[in-house]
Amino acid sequence: SQELEQSPQSLIVQEGKNLTINCTSSKTLYGLYWYKQKYGEGLIFLMMLQKGGEEKSHEKITAKLDEKKQQSSLHITASQPSHAGIYLCGAAVRGGGTSYGKLTFGQGTILTVHP
Amino acid sequence: GAVVSQHPSRVICKSGTSVKIECRSLDFQATTMFWYRQFPKKSLMLMATSNEGSKATYEQGVEKDKFLINHASLTLSTLTVTSAHPEDSSFYICSARRRGGGPDTQYFGPGTRLTVL
Repeated sequence: SQELEQSPQSLIVQEGKNLTINCTSSKTLYGLYWYKQKYGEGLIFLMMLQKGGEEKSHEKITAKLDEKKQQSSLHITASQPSHAGIYLCGAAVRGGGTSYGKLTFGQGTILTVHP
Repeated sequence: GAVVSQHPSRVICKSGTSVKIECRSLDFQATTMFWYRQFPKKSLMLMATSNEGSKATYEQGVEKDKFLINHASLTLSTLTVTSAHPEDSSFYICSARRRGGGPDTQYFGPGTRLTVL
């Protein structure tokens, strides 16, 4: 089965600082998703990456998928307290039938941004 | 945008009772819904896949008689935790995949926090 490893597990930064969260897969990624979660709430979809070398940005958040499609990074520029939360990477499970649409998740990265 | 609701958002029950959690897609049809469980400061663990009109598919290690899933319509799936025990206390999240869509059309509910005393 595919496993996702996120690093770091937790991160504390000062407002305005840049930061990067990494997600490494044990197998080739066919679809990599980044989500944000506030504690005790549901997941908010951030971005999806599929092609090797792909990079997407939304406001101050940029996500990249490496050429080999086994690692992704999420970069936040000039962090703000509103960026605080849990960031989860998810990978689409390869296969059809009952596997279609399944996602496996990394363990999450807890981000704290101090004003 | 696509909205998925869960009810209740929070429930406290006594050990031995059963609890039902509802997951609804409010503005789209979902042929598939997924149920996840999340422990404090941990990631989401997929419990089962719920398909409309057929039996749910459970992940390895998840007791199907313990966690009953019913996908009665294209907009509703329910998870019933039977004979709940304190170790069942957790945060349960559902997601719904839009009919005809891929994994990127999966939308998550806000979650239900279950506490079993």
